[in-house]
Amino acid sequence: ETGVTQSPTHLIKTRGQQVTLRCSSQSGHNTVSWYQQALGQGPQFIFQYYREEENGRGNFPPRFSGLQFPNYSSELNVNALELDDSALYLCASSHRQGITDTQYFGPGTRLTVL
Amino acid sequence: DAKTTQPPSMDCAEGRAANLPCNHSTISGNEYVYWYRQIHSQGPQYIIHGLKNNETNEMASLIITEDRKSSTLILPHATLRDTAVYYCIVRVGGSARQLTFGSGTQLTVLP
Repeated sequence: ETGVTQSPTHLIKTRGQQVTLRCSSQSGHNTVSWYQQALGQGPQFIFQYYREEENGRGNFPPRFSGLQFPNYSSELNVNALELDDSALYLCASSHRQGITDTQYFGPGTRLTVL
Repeated sequence: DAKTTQPPSMDCAEGRAANLPCNHSTISGNEYVYWYRQIHSQGPQYIIHGLKNNETNEMASLIITEDRKSSTLILPHATLRDTAVYYCIVRVGGSARQLTFGSGTQLTVLP
């Protein structure tokens, strides 16, 4: 069984640029959630996708957007990058069924904005 | 989701049991207690979760008090690789809602 994978591992961008991060969910999972983790803080929820639709969003501006594809993989897009967007971006997949849906995280993408 | 309170840091000797407490005094009847850990700069790793009964898996045991207002994660024989930030999260069951991470407990296993 393949776990959650993310690409790229590291990325350096300059302020104002746009970035796309990718996530492949764990086999059998139909839900993907994205989190941002600034240095020294816990992960903060950005949004979640289920059946290719956004299904919940945290306190992030519209320049953070996403997609989920029919194979349940997902992308996170960030436009007009700001210095404060420098963080570890985490993707978590889960299977929405039954009483609980445990989220399993990928290794993350480290984004540095200069 | 209910708020959780954890000590900011704890030490444990290698080979001994590590007992990590979590307070969730406002927990509701349909909220589960989840534990994750995060080793430096890696993605959080799921450890265990429970509703009201004690749970055990290959990684850890979760002890939930009868009134459900607190819980303890037990790593029975801590190793240096267990050094990590441990997060206790309370979450409504039956939903796909997000995980709300607090500050967690930095566990340091000492040789």
